[in-house]
Amino acid sequence: DAKTTQPTSMDCAEGRAANLPCNHSTISGNEYVYWYRQIHSQGPQYIIHGLKNNETNEMASLIITEDRKSSTLILPHATLRDTAVYYCIVRATGDNFNKFYFGSGTKLNVKP
Amino acid sequence: DTEVTQTPKHLVMGMTNKKSLKCEQHMGHRAMYWYKQKAKKPPELMFVYSYEKLSINESVPSRFSPECPNSSLLNLHLHALQPEDSALYLCASSPHQGLLSGNTIYFGEGSWLTVV
Repeated sequence: DAKTTQPTSMDCAEGRAANLPCNHSTISGNEYVYWYRQIHSQGPQYIIHGLKNNETNEMASLIITEDRKSSTLILPHATLRDTAVYYCIVRATGDNFNKFYFGSGTKLNVKP
Repeated sequence: DTEVTQTPKHLVMGMTNKKSLKCEQHMGHRAMYWYKQKAKKPPELMFVYSYEKLSINESVPSRFSPECPNSSLLNLHLHALQPEDSALYLCASSPHQGLLSGNTIYFGEGSWLTVV
């Protein structure tokens, strides 16, 4: 299973864009990149996922490099409520499809 | 409705007690998961049910016993737990896997378990 590497923590000023990087250099061609976040004491919340192309939804944008070895989650205008741990996950395929493993994640601190 | 409901939200049990955590979803999902999360750590996968059959057991001790009575319900039976089993237990569900699909996994808010 492809592993992910994320910085332990990041700071972001309120109202500015938050750019959270993730390395997944061993990703396979048909494995998806997922992003979740977990606000303190709550269940993980789905943000976005993608395969090759960049994706955008009402929460965030996902930029995947052409070689797919890394990606960046962008929160365009961070608010204090975006303070959370953000997890980048590569989802396996085939028999391992349901082995959905969390890595260490990035603690994003949004500051006033 | 993208809701996974877990009960109880909080549970305190003694080491000799038998208790159960419950999880319910009505999204027609055929894969359901149990995760364990200790403080300041990421969630750890415990069990996965696919079409009501146990498909993944991540070498979880037998004092944790999962059960999937139907496609909407998932239980985690607890017996003879230790204080170190105190954690947040998360349930999740997702549609049936498709090899090239990007199915989303939906999580409940978790059950906080304290073993005394």
